[in-house]
Amino acid sequence: DIQMTQSPSSLSASVGDRVTITCRASQGISNYLAWFQQKPGKAPKSLIYGASSLQSGVPSKFSGSGSGTDFTLTISSLQPEDFATYYCQQYNSYPFTFGPGTKVDIK
Amino acid sequence: QVQLVESGGGVVQPGGSLRLSCAASGFTFSGYGMHWVRQAPGKGLEWVAFIRYDGSNKYYADSVKGRFTISRDNSKNTLYLQMNSLRAEDTAVYYCAKDLSYLGFGENSDYWGQGTLVTVSS
Repeated sequence: DIQMTQSPSSLSASVGDRVTITCRASQGISNYLAWFQQKPGKAPKSLIYGASSLQSGVPSKFSGSGSGTDFTLTISSLQPEDFATYYCQQYNSYPFTFGPGTKVDIK
Repeated sequence: QVQLVESGGGVVQPGGSLRLSCAASGFTFSGYGMHWVRQAPGKGLEWVAFIRYDGSNKYYADSVKGRFTISRDNSKNTLYLQMNSLRAEDTAVYYCAKDLSYLGFGENSDYWGQGTLVTVSS
């Protein structure tokens, strides 16, 4: 199975900050990488698929990059509604696997 | 708009069974694969299973293989997860999610339900 890791596991940031989260796969997954946002008590929301394609309705302050084993999610200017936990997921091969998550909270 | 509504969760004893349902609307259910994903209390997301749009292919996480069965009824726009031989570690919120790819083999999940809680406890 493909293992996914994320760094950092948590971070504190201020409104307006640029935030970058890293995701690494244990083997190459081409660009079969998705990012999700989850707020407490809510279902995850899909942000990005194909490593860099924005889901419909997702604001352009979110961007993704990478290919192979190393990927990043960037939030260009953090807003109050962006404080949440972010997960990456590989869908290159079954079983699909998620990273452990990165919690973004207010500094 | 896409709606996914899970039901069937509850409290069950270890070794017991439960069947979850996910009622879908707002899209052509028979054209899309569907996933189940779970989240134990205070933990991260775990992908559980996928079924292709026509039920022809099914995939499972190792942790549930042989105990859980994913199925669908396209005439009722409903997805199911039959869970047998339940264990304490199966305690989680179970989400159904629609696959992004039309007639595909499974890719990203673009829409999620609100989840149903399954508690395995004596």
